[in-house]
Amino acid sequence: GAGVSQSPRYKVAKRGQDVALRCDPISGHVSLFWYQQALGQGPEFLTYFQNEAQLDKSGLPSDRFFAERPEGSVSTLKIQRTQQEDSAVYLCASSSRTGPNSPLHFGNGTRLTVT
Amino acid sequence: AQKITQTQPGMFVQEKEAVTLDCTYDTSDQSYGLFWYKQPSSGEMIFLIYQGSYDEQNATEGRYSLNFQKARKSANLVISASQLGDSAMYFCAMSANNAGNMLTFGGGTRLMVKP
Repeated sequence: GAGVSQSPRYKVAKRGQDVALRCDPISGHVSLFWYQQALGQGPEFLTYFQNEAQLDKSGLPSDRFFAERPEGSVSTLKIQRTQQEDSAVYLCASSSRTGPNSPLHFGNGTRLTVT
Repeated sequence: AQKITQTQPGMFVQEKEAVTLDCTYDTSDQSYGLFWYKQPSSGEMIFLIYQGSYDEQNATEGRYSLNFQKARKSANLVISASQLGDSAMYFCAMSANNAGNMLTFGGGTRLMVKP
């Protein structure tokens, strides 16, 4: 497809379960971002990859959150031992360039609900 | 660090009228970019318009224009001739030169277009 693809679209997890969220960026896009969006709020930065290198993970809220992009394309965001406060929409975005004037192209997100 | 403030949680506009969505920002960087995104109920983030800090002309994209007032650190979005399909959340965001194209988002404004 032409856009950023995220799966699953919806995920319900019981507290304490591990989850893995997948992002397929636009082909050839160098930059990849993960954002967390709580209900009724703006997206909050989690982590950033340039190709396979994770250049910034300062937004990850705890060591239960882990992201990877081993071959510089598909990325996975993993949350271990999920907690109720992890319930949010997780957005992935990619960009063909790395400069401040490059718009990010977002996927539809994965809505995670922890019960 | 960058900060984006959107002071209007919700706005109503009559169909076919123009509406202005407010955005103020704070940064110590000299080079930065300002973006507006639309998020319909489907959840995807749609890029609307971009303004660079050194651009002298206000950006325009179809019915969207950005009223950039650098001294006031404001970047308001103007939507002309509102349509029912414009009903959505609107987010202002910025990137700074020292942060690549990582975006910092405001809290959003919900726009509702009345028929």
